[in-house]
Amino acid sequence: EADIYQTPRYLVIGTGKKITLECSQTMGHDKMYWYQQDPGMELHLIHYSYGVNSTEKGDLSSESTVSRIRTEHFPLTLESARPSHTSQYLCASRPSSPFGNSPLHFGNGTRLTVT
Amino acid sequence: GEDVEQSLFLSVREGDSSVINCTYTDSSSTYLYWYKQEPGAGLQLLTYIFSNMDMKQDQRLTVLLNKKDKHLSLRIADTQTGDSAIYFCAESKASGTYKYIFGTGTRLKVLA
Repeated sequence: EADIYQTPRYLVIGTGKKITLECSQTMGHDKMYWYQQDPGMELHLIHYSYGVNSTEKGDLSSESTVSRIRTEHFPLTLESARPSHTSQYLCASRPSSPFGNSPLHFGNGTRLTVT
Repeated sequence: GEDVEQSLFLSVREGDSSVINCTYTDSSSTYLYWYKQEPGAGLQLLTYIFSNMDMKQDQRLTVLLNKKDKHLSLRIADTQTGDSAIYFCAESKASGTYKYIFGTGTRLKVLA
């Protein structure tokens, strides 16, 4: 069972603020992902990483950025938050597998509200 | 195209069986997954099945895969109130690609 931690769990901030959502995992997984989950429950991939110093944008256009300096840490940053960024952000990780895509393990999410 | 579809709601009585259905369009999918999401939490992996399997059972959970119809189902036996949650079906392809396609989720409500 993967241990993956997201902080903060809840965040309410004003428009224009810079914020960083933290995600850490202790299982040594090299693949990490950020999803945005809208009120209709659907998940949208916004960023992923194959490993240290490797990040790519996902399917959903996002004004956020990510970094992967250490295997266990995959923070997501919004330089200037807007009300349209209000959503739940889910971090996930998985190990590499020669047999196909191994299951994703998710953190508990950060619920962001931008006022 | 790639799409995973689920019905939005399911309501069952406590003690009955629940069957949550999912259809997918990509026949090259290799793994199919079921996740559970409780309010305010992330997605919890329940079980997954490789595409060369027809069935997988794990305690109260039974997964059935019909590759011909591209249909996946999750049966929960003896459904309990603690099973009330949103259930997501997801698919992925072979190793080398990052893509996991999630359905929109089925909200299961268990009535006492």
